[in-house]
Amino acid sequence: DAKTTQPPSMDCAEGRAANLPCNHSTISGNEYVYWYRQIHSQGPQYIIHGLKNNETNEMASLIITEDRKSSTLILPHATLRDTAVYYCIVITGGGNKLTFGTGTQLKVEL
Amino acid sequence: DTGVSQNPRHKITKRGQNVTFRCDPISEHNRLYWYRQTLGQGPEFLTYFQNEAQLEKSRLLSDRFSAERPKGSFSTLEIQRTEQGDSAMYLCASSLTGTLDEQYFGPGTRLTVT
Repeated sequence: DAKTTQPPSMDCAEGRAANLPCNHSTISGNEYVYWYRQIHSQGPQYIIHGLKNNETNEMASLIITEDRKSSTLILPHATLRDTAVYYCIVITGGGNKLTFGTGTQLKVEL
Repeated sequence: DTGVSQNPRHKITKRGQNVTFRCDPISEHNRLYWYRQTLGQGPEFLTYFQNEAQLEKSRLLSDRFSAERPKGSFSTLEIQRTEQGDSAMYLCASSLTGTLDEQYFGPGTRLTVT
């Protein structure tokens, strides 16, 4: 599975959009981009995934560049409860094991 | 609450003792995963089951570790002769077979070896 690179930390004001970047320059054609988050003292939580098209669900939007070498997770109106570590994971479809990096610690502040 | 439960939530044990953790996945999920997470790191894959078959084990899973899923429902993870380096959060996740199925994680069992 391709490796990913994320900034170690980001801050965001409550109510503003949080844009979390991820680089995955070695991604191959059959690999998906998944995002999970982990709120302190809880297990990771699935957010969204995509292959090459942009995706949106009730939690977030995922924007994948045309060359698929990077992506951005967008939380449109961040709240204090969105404070968490966000993990970008690239994986071949098929429900296989997840390889987590160290993620991005997002802190949402008043 | 994702529907995946783990017990106990916390376990303190002395070095050299054996410990066993239990995971109850979402009932219709046929895949079950174990991960380990140490402070400041992301979770690391240990092993996974499809139904009762253990299909993959990480090199992290030394011979002191054993996992079972006897009837394809709940799973247990046993650590024998615990060491201080085993102190970590042990996470369980479940999913449905097939492409694009997200994993649902339990709250984890925090193990402290003294």
